[in-house]
Amino acid sequence: EDQVTQSPEALRLQEGESSSLNCSYTVSGLRGLFWYRQDPGKGPEFLFTLYSAGEEKEKERLKATLTKKESFLHITAPKPEDSATYLCAVGGNTGKLIFGQGTTLQVKP
Amino acid sequence: EAQVTQNPRYLITVTGKKLTVTCSQNMNHEYMSWYRQDPGLGLRQIYYSMNVEVTDKGDVPEGYKVSRKEKRNFPLILESPSPNQTSLYFCASTADRGNEQYFGPGTRLTVT
Repeated sequence: EDQVTQSPEALRLQEGESSSLNCSYTVSGLRGLFWYRQDPGKGPEFLFTLYSAGEEKEKERLKATLTKKESFLHITAPKPEDSATYLCAVGGNTGKLIFGQGTTLQVKP
Repeated sequence: EAQVTQNPRYLITVTGKKLTVTCSQNMNHEYMSWYRQDPGLGLRQIYYSMNVEVTDKGDVPEGYKVSRKEKRNFPLILESPSPNQTSLYFCASTADRGNEQYFGPGTRLTVT
């Protein structure tokens, strides 16, 4: 059964304090691992897609990496505007997209 | 502007009164999905469609219907809503199931 687990559930950082979010997954035939950002009451906003182990992608203060069992979203020197819930999802051979429950990040000034 | 739109954005209704939530995308995407999001349960897929006239059940399809008569539209139908269908609903589309999905702004449904 395809499954996604994200940790921690919540993370509080001071502005400038770098950290990482974890996404562990099991999937039959990985077609893609996706990271999204979601602000309260809004739809998830696409950040990255990773397709194979060893792949990395960056966007501003965010960097996503992928291994065969997990993905990390590294946040370097975060700012208050980075506060949001970060969602990880995997797509496999079933054609479905399975989401983790998310990590809620709060960055204090 | 490329986007997924949903209507209505907010809806309060009573048990048993049929309702439809519309979803439309202007990106010519073949793959569309409906999700519900509940506290502690995350995003769960209700139904998805890989093309016109092709629909399939997701993880939580009970109590919902969908149709895909046109490529751009994918309405979600609740024939007899119940209070346990109170939730935040999202429509999403993608060019291919291996690609990133683009989400609509959400519809907050309350069934009393």
